[in-house]
Amino acid sequence: DIQMTQSPSTLSASVGDRVTITCRASQSISRWLAWYQQKPGKAPKLLIYGASTLESGVPSRFSGSGSGTEFTLTISSLQPDDFATYYCQQYNSYSFGPGTKVDVK
Amino acid sequence: QVQLVESGGGVVQPGRSLRLSCAASGFTFSSCGMHWVRQAPGKGLEWLTIISYDGSSAYYAGSVKGRFTVSRDNSKNTLYLQMNGLRPEDTAMYYCAKQKTIVAVTDYWGHGTLVTVSS
Repeated sequence: DIQMTQSPSTLSASVGDRVTITCRASQSISRWLAWYQQKPGKAPKLLIYGASTLESGVPSRFSGSGSGTEFTLTISSLQPDDFATYYCQQYNSYSFGPGTKVDVK
Repeated sequence: QVQLVESGGGVVQPGRSLRLSCAASGFTFSSCGMHWVRQAPGKGLEWLTIISYDGSSAYYAGSVKGRFTVSRDNSKNTLYLQMNGLRPEDTAMYYCAKQKTIVAVTDYWGHGTLVTVSS
């Protein structure tokens, strides 16, 4: 099984900050990686797939990079609507990372 | 627009069974792989299973393999999850999710149905 890890588990930031979340896979997954945003009481929302392809309708302040085993999600300028939990998922065998909660500093 | 509506959740005793349903609309259901994902209270996302667009193949997470069975009825635009031998650790919100047509990621999710396993 492919294990996914994320760091940090919690990130405290302010509006306007540049935010970076890292996701690592236990073995190479090429670019089969997606990022989701989840707010309390809501279903996850797809942000990025193929490691760097922005889903339609997702603001351009979100970007993704990486390949193989190490990936990053970057929010270039954090907005009030971005405080949420972010999950990576590899879609070779579909496991999720444990999540990164972005909260108010 | 795409809609996925889960139902069938509730409180069930350990060892009992439950069948969840996911009614799909707003897209060509018979062309899309479908997933079930769950989230225990206060915890992260756990992928459970995927079924191919035509129901001919399915894959499961180790935690539910042999206990849970996914199926679909394309004539009814409905996805199912049969859960047997339920355990307290199966307590979670259960989401169905639609897969993109050409990429194996989920692009739309339902709002979920809550399953509580407790005596």
